[in-house]
Amino acid sequence: GQSLEQPSEVTAVEGAIVQINCTYQTSGFYGLSWYQQHDGGAPTFLSYNALDGLEETGRFSSFLSRSDSYGYLLLQELQMKDSASYFCAVRDYKLSFGAGTTVTVRA
Amino acid sequence: NAGVMQNPRHLVRRRGQEARLRCSPMKGHSHVYWYRQLPEEGLKFMVYLQKENIIDESGMPKERFSAEFPKEGPSILRIQQVVRGDSAAYFCASSPGHSYEQFFGPGTRLTVL
Repeated sequence: GQSLEQPSEVTAVEGAIVQINCTYQTSGFYGLSWYQQHDGGAPTFLSYNALDGLEETGRFSSFLSRSDSYGYLLLQELQMKDSASYFCAVRDYKLSFGAGTTVTVRA
Repeated sequence: NAGVMQNPRHLVRRRGQEARLRCSPMKGHSHVYWYRQLPEEGLKFMVYLQKENIIDESGMPKERFSAEFPKEGPSILRIQQVVRGDSAAYFCASSPGHSYEQFFGPGTRLTVL
């Protein structure tokens, strides 16, 4: 089976940088995905790492270390609209999600 | 290109009734996944289907739950004899293949009275 751990809450101010860590134990692994969810709406794909290293997509970056079973999502230049829940998910042919990290951005 | 569509968006049922949740994947996507989300929790995988085939239903409760993805029409998640514990948000996702990014629909929020 799959097991993922991520912090439950993070609070930061506008313009700051936030890092959300994710550790996982898995029996099947293609890569690590990150999703954003606002107020229980549709999860929106943010980033995917299949190989070790850093993937950068605008203000968001994601990192993976397969040997450490560890990844993180980096949110830079935080904006109020970034207040949401962020989920890491192990992808084999299905997604196995962590419990989510609630990010609150303050003015 | 329309995204993943789910209906109804909200569904209220009394205990013992049946719930039918529909999912139309994105155009060109033949792989459909169903997930359930309880409040303050992550999404839990339920079932993975391709056209006319159930590939993996390891996340589905053994009783009362069934899913299908017919050759024509939407994928259906069916819950028979609903109980209060079935109250949750049910999300459908689709992809063009099993190793591709999944796109999620807006979800169906099921409330069992």
